[in-house]
Amino acid sequence: GAVVSQHPSRVICKSGTSVKIECRSLDFQATTMFWYRQFPKQSLMLMATSNEGSKATYEQGVEKDKFLINHASLTLSTLTVTSAHPEDSSFYICSARDSLRLAVSYEQYFGPGTRLTVT
Amino acid sequence: AQSVAQPEDQVNVAEGNPLTVKCTYSVSGNPYLFWYVQYPNRGLQFLLKYITGDNLVKGSYGFEAEFNKSQTSFHLKKPSALVSDSALYFCAVRDPSSNTGKLIFGQGTTLQVKP
Repeated sequence: GAVVSQHPSRVICKSGTSVKIECRSLDFQATTMFWYRQFPKQSLMLMATSNEGSKATYEQGVEKDKFLINHASLTLSTLTVTSAHPEDSSFYICSARDSLRLAVSYEQYFGPGTRLTVT
Repeated sequence: AQSVAQPEDQVNVAEGNPLTVKCTYSVSGNPYLFWYVQYPNRGLQFLLKYITGDNLVKGSYGFEAEFNKSQTSFHLKKPSALVSDSALYFCAVRDPSSNTGKLIFGQGTTLQVKP
């Protein structure tokens, strides 16, 4: 149980284009999902908290117009990198919390990540 | 400010020997602590957590961690390391100022187990 998928696992795009990454909770509902960015051999940097049915909460320094987040259902959140540039190349990871266990569990279940390369 | 520190960038251990990956934390109130493991080009896998109760927590793959309130530590341990344990390990603590369950991660420690 508690499986989170991400699609695509790997994407290469040209500079100036937009890329959408999907994060799905497969066997549980998630009112809250998180989007992280990770550079090689570094820790995870939280970009934003995605809330089902409402606007995402972005961390300080993260451009909300560049990293668009949509959490339209209890099992799907999307991250769109708009007008991507080479410096946006990174490993993007999402995670989700089980809505039915919010009061008793603080685990986050992580997706396998998406490697974005902008050329 | 809330924080988590993993003082070692890398830990090397021989297969069959015990391993320890260190973690210290600084949070207000009671800490909710977690260990995750990450294999190359993969997401994070949950290993174990401490919320309350017994200070010694047992988790997946034979790992355990001991919560020490006086030393504000939550070191990850395993009695006998396997080569397959080689990975990147993250300690995390729930951010008590967040109502969404946001986690604060340590810098990560690379565990290298040699045959």
